[in-house]
Amino acid sequence: DAGITQSPRHKVTETGTPVTLRCHQTENHRYMYWYRQDPGHGLRLIHYSYGVKDTDKGEVSDGYSVSRSKTEDFLLTLESATSSQTSVYFCAISVKKGETQYFGPGTRLLVL
Amino acid sequence: GESVGLHLPTLSVQEGDNSIINCAYSNSASDYFIWYKQESGKGPQFIIDIRSNMDKRQGQRVTVLLNKTVKHLSLQIAATQPGDSAVYFCAERYTSGTYKYIFGTGTRLKVLA
Repeated sequence: DAGITQSPRHKVTETGTPVTLRCHQTENHRYMYWYRQDPGHGLRLIHYSYGVKDTDKGEVSDGYSVSRSKTEDFLLTLESATSSQTSVYFCAISVKKGETQYFGPGTRLLVL
Repeated sequence: GESVGLHLPTLSVQEGDNSIINCAYSNSASDYFIWYKQESGKGPQFIIDIRSNMDKRQGQRVTVLLNKTVKHLSLQIAATQPGDSAVYFCAERYTSGTYKYIFGTGTRLKVLA
């Protein structure tokens, strides 16, 4: 998984609670991404980062925020989890902007 | 753990045969394409990529063909092995202000012993 770890790997939470997912990379790559994967959909981009404190929204960013205070860590926060955010979340990294993305092992999140 | 839904198209191939997995991409302006393999419960794994100035690219046991005229991409796996069983999906990249990717939902490959 290209030197990427995600934590937790599985989480069950209740509607309305905040949740933070962590992505950690050992590759020292500048570019990091958060995706969600749902049945019937391809991977969809939530947020991305082009460097420390440089983040932007993807196509499905509502209800999510991110932070990147260190090169190696990219955090995804669900501010108030909803059942529609039940999904598998993947972090990805790339060496160059727009180039090949390498994915982490994923976090499976269930919001009850 | 299903990675992408319960109703994916499935390709069943006998072990040792060649597999061909197809992908129709959507944007004629896409300039870079990637094939990923995703095993159950795991993250997508990069297999091979191709740029729009190429028609064919070969890797180890895999070949990607690009037909820009009909916006079609294919992945050929030679001498398919049980370890090749997974979901395979393509990704296309285009530029709209910044780089954007569209990921396909995938095809499930089942290798029969």
